[in-house]
This record gives sequence, structure tokens and C-alpha cells, in this order.
Amino acid sequence: KAGVTQTPRYLIKTRGQQVTLSCSPISGHRSVSWYQQTPGQGLQFLFEYFSETQRNKGNFPGRFSGRQFSNSRSEMNVSTLELGDSALYLCASSLGHQNTGELFFGEGSRLTVL
Amino acid sequence: KNQVEQSPQSLIILEGKNCTLQCNYTVSPFSNLRWYKQDTGRGPVSLTIMTFSENTKSNGRYTATLDADTKQSSLHITASQLSDSASYICVVSAQAGTALIFGKGTTLSVSS
Repeated sequence: KAGVTQTPRYLIKTRGQQVTLSCSPISGHRSVSWYQQTPGQGLQFLFEYFSETQRNKGNFPGRFSGRQFSNSRSEMNVSTLELGDSALYLCASSLGHQNTGELFFGEGSRLTVL
Repeated sequence: KNQVEQSPQSLIILEGKNCTLQCNYTVSPFSNLRWYKQDTGRGPVSLTIMTFSENTKSNGRYTATLDADTKQSSLHITASQLSDSASYICVVSAQAGTALIFGKGTTLSVSS
């Protein structure tokens, strides 16, 4: 059974650019949630999608957005990149909602903003 | 304010020794508590999930305990191995529809 796949694994952008990250969940999982991980703040919740609907959103500016497709694959977009957006972006999938279901994480997309 | 505090921040132990990591939370209402292991450069992997009614849960050499009255949890690692070197993250879930709350993790280094 394939795990959660995130692409790209590594990317470098410059300030002001935008980036799109992709996440393919485990087959059959309907929930995809996104997290930002930095050395100082640890893991922070960005948003959760369940059956193509955003179910919950963390405390991040509107530059961070996402969507989920009918096949449960999800993308997140960060516009007008800032140096502070450099982080490991993790997505996780679960059968049910993130609060109740076991989360299965991908390996992450490491974003560096120069 | 819902918070999860982990201690110690980092820990170094010799291979073969036992260790215990702590997690205190102020999340309310409480739904479940999870422990994850994250190897450097990898995504977190679930170790245990405990609900309000569960006091102890084991996964191999990992044993988690939960005291819902004092809002404390611990993760005990028995007979540590070099492969246990990782960050261990405590995560608390409140009621459905709210965000998970993450601790900042304990970094464990096991040396030979």
C-alpha cells in the first residue's frame, strides 16, 4: 500500500515568488491536512481538507491557501514568499478527520526562500 | 489557551538504557493524545494514540501513559537502540473540528 507522496521534495525560491506543493494521500483516505515545521516553532497546523472542503484553518496569513481535488489529492500554494516561509511543509492523510483518525505523514517538501 | 509542553527539550542516553519523556497539556475539551517519532529529514510516524479512557498503551519498546486528571502523559522507551535517536512529538486533539495542538518535541540522542 503506497504511502503519502509529496512533491517536490526540495525547492528553492526567491522572495516575492509563489510556490505550489502537492500531496497524494493514501488510497481511500479522504482527509488531507497540511503543516509547517520550523526549528523554532515546531509543527504548526495550516489547514485540513475533507472531501474537497476546507474543514479547518490554522493561524496563517491569506498568502497560504490550499485545495483538494475529487481524487483527494491536495495542493497548497504560498504566494508572495517571504524569508520566514522557509520550512518543511508536511502533509498527512487519514481516513476520517484529523482529530480522530490516525495521521499518516509524507516525507515533506523542504522550501528555502532566498 | 490550549498548549502542549514537552520536557526535556533534549536528552542524551547510552544505548541499552531506558528513558522517559514528558508531555503536559492544557487542552480542553480533550479528545485524544498521540505520540509521534520523527527521524531527521523524515515525516513523523505514529507511535500511539490514547483516548480519555486509556491509561497505558504500548507499541513494542515504546509505552505511553496518560493521566487525564492531571493532564499529563509520558512516553517510556525501554532498552534504547541507536535507531531511537529522533524527535518525539506529543500531539493533543480537542473536540472534532478544531486543530491538533503540537508540542515542540523532545530530541533524543542514543549513543553507543
